[in-house]
Amino acid sequence: EVQLVESGGDLVQPGGSLGLSCAASGFTFRTYAMNWVRQAPGRGLEWVSTLTGSGGSAYYADSVRGRFIISRDNSKDTLHLQMSSLRDDDTAVYYCAKGTISGPFDLWGQGTRVTVSS
Amino acid sequence: EIVLKQSPATLSLSPGERATLSCRASQSVSSYLAWYQQKPGQAPRLLMYDASNRATGIPARFSGSGSGTEFTLTISSLEPEDFAVYYCQQRSNWPPTWTFGQGTKVEIK
Repeated sequence: EVQLVESGGDLVQPGGSLGLSCAASGFTFRTYAMNWVRQAPGRGLEWVSTLTGSGGSAYYADSVRGRFIISRDNSKDTLHLQMSSLRDDDTAVYYCAKGTISGPFDLWGQGTRVTVSS
Repeated sequence: EIVLKQSPATLSLSPGERATLSCRASQSVSSYLAWYQQKPGQAPRLLMYDASNRATGIPARFSGSGSGTEFTLTISSLEPEDFAVYYCQQRSNWPPTWTFGQGTKVEIK
């Protein structure tokens, strides 16, 4: 089955760190760019980061650049997002999504919830 | 930074009616524009890409049009399962970054 399954969401204090993972199955993971998109409670979608299939190039939204790191393990078909210096406004459901570097996001996971609060 | 503005914010319609959703970009995005549907508690689902191409499995009642800065998603005859929030998305060429519109909620009148 073609799917993405996120994990790692949790409650974390402001200034803390958290790592998210996204396990892919059913497609040739290494040939696709992968993305993280988040959605704050009651709000719209916000692109967070994109990583090319090889892992050689990463792109970030201004709101997370310098605090978040996207990575992947193509031997394990897994995408990661390491988040540090977390702020209240990082509270959101985080989705991973499959795409190409120039194309749309054609497969989404179910999301994992991150809450930043003291 | 390209900004996408969707209108209207909310569209109140009855099943069987036609829905027309607009997405306007602050500068030209060529024909790269995608549309997504999101239902409560669910992940978004890709509907359209490159402005007018339906994604796999999307019914023919969904159509997209436009180029440059003006794009439209049309649902020809609303089915009960179409009541949801719809987002447009564009990609900036370099560096590759992505922007979503703020969404249009299609609700049952």
